Amino acid sequence: KNEVEQSPQNLTAQEGEFITINCSYSVGISALHWLQQHPGGGIVSLFMLSSGKKKHGRLIATINIQEKHSSLHITASHPRDSAVYICAVRRAQKLVFGQGTRLTINP
Amino acid sequence: DAGVIQSPRHEVTEMGQEVTLRCKPISGHNSLFWYRQTMMRGLELLIYFNNNVPIDDSGMPEDRFSAKMPNASFSTLKIQPSEPRDSAVYFCASRLEETQYFGPGTRLLVL
Repeated sequence: KNEVEQSPQNLTAQEGEFITINCSYSVGISALHWLQQHPGGGIVSLFMLSSGKKKHGRLIATINIQEKHSSLHITASHPRDSAVYICAVRRAQKLVFGQGTRLTINP
Repeated sequence: DAGVIQSPRHEVTEMGQEVTLRCKPISGHNSLFWYRQTMMRGLELLIYFNNNVPIDDSGMPEDRFSAKMPNASFSTLKIQPSEPRDSAVYFCASRLEETQYFGPGTRLLVL
């Protein structure tokens, strides 16, 4: 079993829908990151969380340390949100990655 | 700032050849990470440096892989000899505080 599990692996939705991507981890961590990888391959860091919730524009990330679970939400989704979203947990100074969730938003 | 710079962006080589990947981190960042991404295994940490010193190379697959950081503005990842199973996208990232900034990656194909 991977230390970091994401669900779903693939998600297709219509423009405007509310999107939720989940991440569960099995080890103690100091922080959790959400990354976005565009179709062209570039990786961008979206959030770093150690507790609670963070919001940036239409993106919201939450974490429950007790349950070892985090969610990434996208409100009013748009085709430009289509990308692979990767959850990564920080242990010491290393990041351990989930397999990613491929999100496709159709117009 | 131009961000993290990697070169080359693409590399095609034959099995057995030496491959050198290069990375220039963002100025002022004191941590540098090398990652490999494949379809089968996703993103994996290979090695990371703090203040130019290798801290953890437990992710380096085998002795064919080596990484150096001779100064704060330059790092290399070398594969010698290369094998087809090394084909992947190799990312370099540098870190300031908690955020890692990724380079565009080098797409390596070993025939």
